[in-house]
Amino acid sequence: TQLLEQSPQFLSIQEGENLTVYCNSSSVFSSLQWYRQEPGEGPVLLVTVVTGGEVKKLKRLTFQFGDARKDSSLHITAAQPGDTGLYLCAVDRAGNNRKLIWGLGTSLAVNP
Amino acid sequence: KAGVTQTPRYLIKTRGQQVTLSCSPISGHRSVSWYQQTPGQGLQFLFEYFSETQRNKGNFPGRFSGRQFSNSRSEMNVSTLELGDSALYLCASSSTSAGNEQFFGPGTRLTVL
Repeated sequence: TQLLEQSPQFLSIQEGENLTVYCNSSSVFSSLQWYRQEPGEGPVLLVTVVTGGEVKKLKRLTFQFGDARKDSSLHITAAQPGDTGLYLCAVDRAGNNRKLIWGLGTSLAVNP
Repeated sequence: KAGVTQTPRYLIKTRGQQVTLSCSPISGHRSVSWYQQTPGQGLQFLFEYFSETQRNKGNFPGRFSGRQFSNSRSEMNVSTLELGDSALYLCASSSTSAGNEQFFGPGTRLTVL
């Protein structure tokens, strides 16, 4: 059983569409990170959310941490082919940003 | 500044063999962590080294080991390879041992036949 459940597992959309992906858990976390991993590369940190209800924006990406700090969502507006990749969420249970627990990810394909 | 580099990028081995993977962190970074990534299990933490000392360890068998050199370069070794060891092995570096963003390398794709 995965501690972090990400949905959907796969998503294929057309350029210009909006989308939301989710990261859910039954546990409470002090912080949660979102990464994007492109084919042939390692994950790249997009954002860290730490406060319940927090909303962070990174250009066309909007990240929200749930009020109860058990879940998070990532919304992409007007998706572009460059957004294609595997979106991963991760939580730090050891408090040292090292022994991260990862979700399996949402694989996003944005078609031109 | 050059990013994290990993060698080799691809590797094919057979069951029972052993393998050594190498990671060169970003210049000035002293922390190196290793992760295994598979489609079914996702990313799983293997271990972290800081200043040549293992600081954290994940739940992997003793066949998985690592070390770090004085120049912060790190190697991980897997002995007696099993089919289930086929995975992407990722290395990440950070400037300190805690709290700082990790920067990942492109990984080594290991296939065990």
